[in-house]
Amino acid sequence: GAGVSQSPSNKVTEKGKDVELRCDPISGHTALYWYRQSLGQGLEFLIYFQGNSAPDKSGLPSDRFSAERTGGSVSTLTIQRTQQEDSAVYLCASSFSGLAGGYEQYFGPGTRLTVT
Amino acid sequence: DAKTTQPPSMDCAEGRAANLPCNHSTISGNEYVYWYRQIHSQGPQYIIHGLKNNETNEMASLIITEDRKSSTLILPHATLRDTAVYYCIVKSSNDYKLSFGAGTTVTVRA
Repeated sequence: GAGVSQSPSNKVTEKGKDVELRCDPISGHTALYWYRQSLGQGLEFLIYFQGNSAPDKSGLPSDRFSAERTGGSVSTLTIQRTQQEDSAVYLCASSFSGLAGGYEQYFGPGTRLTVT
Repeated sequence: DAKTTQPPSMDCAEGRAANLPCNHSTISGNEYVYWYRQIHSQGPQYIIHGLKNNETNEMASLIITEDRKSSTLILPHATLRDTAVYYCIVKSSNDYKLSFGAGTTVTVRA
């Protein structure tokens, strides 16, 4: 079946502009995650949505970052007034959290954001 | 605190089995062993996970020692497309935040 999709695949923006990144999770997955990965760095957790529960926003690096998940499916990560340090690959993942044994997360291909 | 220790790199011949070790000597009773990989310029890919029994799926096998202090991921017939960084992670079932260490860079050679 279809995997996690993200758009755009690449985004180049000028410092100070706002950007929106989109994620379409796997159908039926109730949990959705956003991470980012800077060049040569590890995975940095940003935000977690689970069903209708309040999202865990503890990983968002500043109040310029926000995310929504509409209708329990598609999610949008918004970065306002982008800075050069926001340049990274933004990864979305989803999981079927009802499975015993924890959460296998399935990742999208990522959006490569470059802030000039 | 690094929960897992993996060799930084390893080579493997195409068509042969690749055995990737991981040490997790401080693993807790409720923590699972997960393996992910990341092919260059792609998102991470879930491979397999287990608690204490050996596990096998279409991608790989996971062998966990009886004391659970180490494990081995086995790719039974490595192909060039298996060249990637492989990450061994230990986490409880309720811990949804993934984080990767340095992993093992596996290079499959023809």
